Amino acid sequence: NAGVTQTPKFQVLKTGQSMTLQCAQDMNHEYMSWYRQDPGMGLRLIHYSVGAGITDQGEVPNGYNVSRSTTEDFPLRLLSAAPSQTSVYFCASSYSNGPGVGNTIYFGEGSWLTVV
Amino acid sequence: SQQGEEDPQALSIQEGENATMNCSYKTSINNLQWYRQNSGRGLVHLILIRSNEREKHSGRLRVTLDTSKKSSSLLITASRAADTASYFCATVTGTASKLTFGTGTRLQVTL
Repeated sequence: NAGVTQTPKFQVLKTGQSMTLQCAQDMNHEYMSWYRQDPGMGLRLIHYSVGAGITDQGEVPNGYNVSRSTTEDFPLRLLSAAPSQTSVYFCASSYSNGPGVGNTIYFGEGSWLTVV
Repeated sequence: SQQGEEDPQALSIQEGENATMNCSYKTSINNLQWYRQNSGRGLVHLILIRSNEREKHSGRLRVTLDTSKKSSSLLITASRAADTASYFCATVTGTASKLTFGTGTRLQVTL
């Protein structure tokens, strides 16, 4: 049982490049989400999913795409990287509908992204 | 905008002392959760308190919730150097599948 696994751990991109951050969980969780964390700020929700085939926007969705073709995987795509997307990205998962019904969230170890 | 705001932003205490962190929020909540983040790592869930609860305990942790003041506090008793980390409160509004985090309190526990 590996929990929530994120790859890559570190990535440097040039402005305008695209890339995908991978997230996988082996806990059969329905709920998955992506957050970004910037210095001096808490985590901000980018996108989330309450099940395969269902995604929704969070607080800061612009510049990011997600899909949920399987229960296990929830990749985050940066379409055209910008320096403002330099951040630490966290994937998280939870049972059923996630925090709304009192479930706790399990986080991955983070992906450090620098856009130059 | 941030739903939760922690106070203080940073706290430095000696081992064995108690550490208290406060969280204020703006709108009515379903539940409030506290998380811990060690430097360079992901967040780890500590404790959840529902809107109809006033106090919860877990080991050396004590969480209180005052919905009339829209505030919560996290008390860590008999702190240890290993408690050094950032602590975040996070709130859920209604049945939304969204957890909104505060800005965090950085706790430093020295020997």
